[in-house]
Amino acid sequence: QSALTQPRSVSGSPGQSVTISCTGTSSDVGGYNYVSWYQQHPGKAPKLMIYDVNKRPSGVPDRFSGSKSGNTASLTISGLQTEDEADYYCCSYAGNYTLVFGGGTKLTVL
Amino acid sequence: QVQLVQSGAEVKKPGASVKVSCKASGYTFTSYDINWVRQATGQGLEWMGWMDPNSGNTGYAQKFQGRVTMTWNTSISAVYMELSSLRSEDTAVYYCATFRGGTYGVYWGQGTLVTVSS
Repeated sequence: QSALTQPRSVSGSPGQSVTISCTGTSSDVGGYNYVSWYQQHPGKAPKLMIYDVNKRPSGVPDRFSGSKSGNTASLTISGLQTEDEADYYCCSYAGNYTLVFGGGTKLTVL
Repeated sequence: QVQLVQSGAEVKKPGASVKVSCKASGYTFTSYDINWVRQATGQGLEWMGWMDPNSGNTGYAQKFQGRVTMTWNTSISAVYMELSSLRSEDTAVYYCATFRGGTYGVYWGQGTLVTVSS
């Protein structure tokens, strides 16, 4: 189970939009609609932001959205705010009751 | 409210074992799988495995097969993760989390730092 591929870092200015990609294979991202995204601030536990590719848990702002095309999933954050600065991780079901995370992306809000 | 409270930090020598506990409250304990995820300092999240407190079924990431054991105690709503043959690379914060549909983590514990050092 190789980790999903995410860019190491992305950045944007307040009010702008950014998209974080998460590339896997047909055995994980491409094979199932079970991609989730987590936000993690330093020293804190991860927080669920998106599940099942594009569903938002209650309480998560609609500025956060998810999508998938083929073996690549994406998290888009629109109307960037300073508090969005954090690490973001994707996670996918990989069959046989296993999961795999991405390597993580550091979002900097300039 | 749902809470997962983990045991405190541990320091272990190489070759030893560690057992981390995760005590759940605020929901029916047997309703959701518990997954374990670890994070080495400055590194990403790594999925370790899951257990179903209702059936006792478990599933482990291939990397940890043979070294990890997940157990539970329904009477006190606790799940345990034991990792054996520890090496320095196992130094990390270990998280438990309730997973829905086996695919996404909703509630997370506060994390337990395990340090492996001679």
